[in-house]
Amino acid sequence: EAQVTQNPRYLITVTGKKLTVTCSQNMNHEYMSWYRQDPGLGLRQIYYSMNVEVTDKGDVPEGYKVSRKEKRNFPLILESPSPNQTSLYFCASSAWGIQETQYFGPGTRLLVL
Amino acid sequence: DAKTTQPTSMDCAEGRAANLPCNHSTISGNEYVYWYRQIHSQGPQYIIHGLKNNETNEMASLIITEDRKSSTLILPHATLRDTAVYYCIVRVASGGSNYKLTFGKGTLLTVNP
Repeated sequence: EAQVTQNPRYLITVTGKKLTVTCSQNMNHEYMSWYRQDPGLGLRQIYYSMNVEVTDKGDVPEGYKVSRKEKRNFPLILESPSPNQTSLYFCASSAWGIQETQYFGPGTRLLVL
Repeated sequence: DAKTTQPTSMDCAEGRAANLPCNHSTISGNEYVYWYRQIHSQGPQYIIHGLKNNETNEMASLIITEDRKSSTLILPHATLRDTAVYYCIVRVASGGSNYKLTFGKGTLLTVNP
């Protein structure tokens, strides 16, 4: 089954404790992206990747890092999480050239205390 | 991106067709109409898109008026699992570049038993 998976689905952590949210897709998609979704603010793009080893900032990259060492994986790293990073995070992917049709993962709900 | 107007909410009986309208009177000739939906706190899901011809896939049909100023998403036999917020987006195709998805307020479709 074609899908985007994220882990963990739920995470409670404390300020400053490094964490990684994994994202993996099995559709051989070139394009991958991370979003956060907050009430009243909608979806905001954090980082995106056009292909392996090609990443770039979205609209809200501060406090986040990403890497794209393999085509299928696009982990989101929070080196020193803060409470304002409490949010619902989504990973998405699409084939190159049709980035307007994105497949989303199920989401990771993060609470930073 | 062209501005879109959607009703805030709609109800539909289970098993009946759900017709979700979207007005986009300022649409440009090279802008497509995309539909996504988001079931509560789940990842957004791409449904369908079109330029000027009507489109159909396994999920839905998209009817675009001849002047392209409005469109209707049709779920032919709505089920309870179709209860979600539906977003109509009007944009040019990505052309292989980054494509930040942003949603407006959308239409909350409630399918009733």
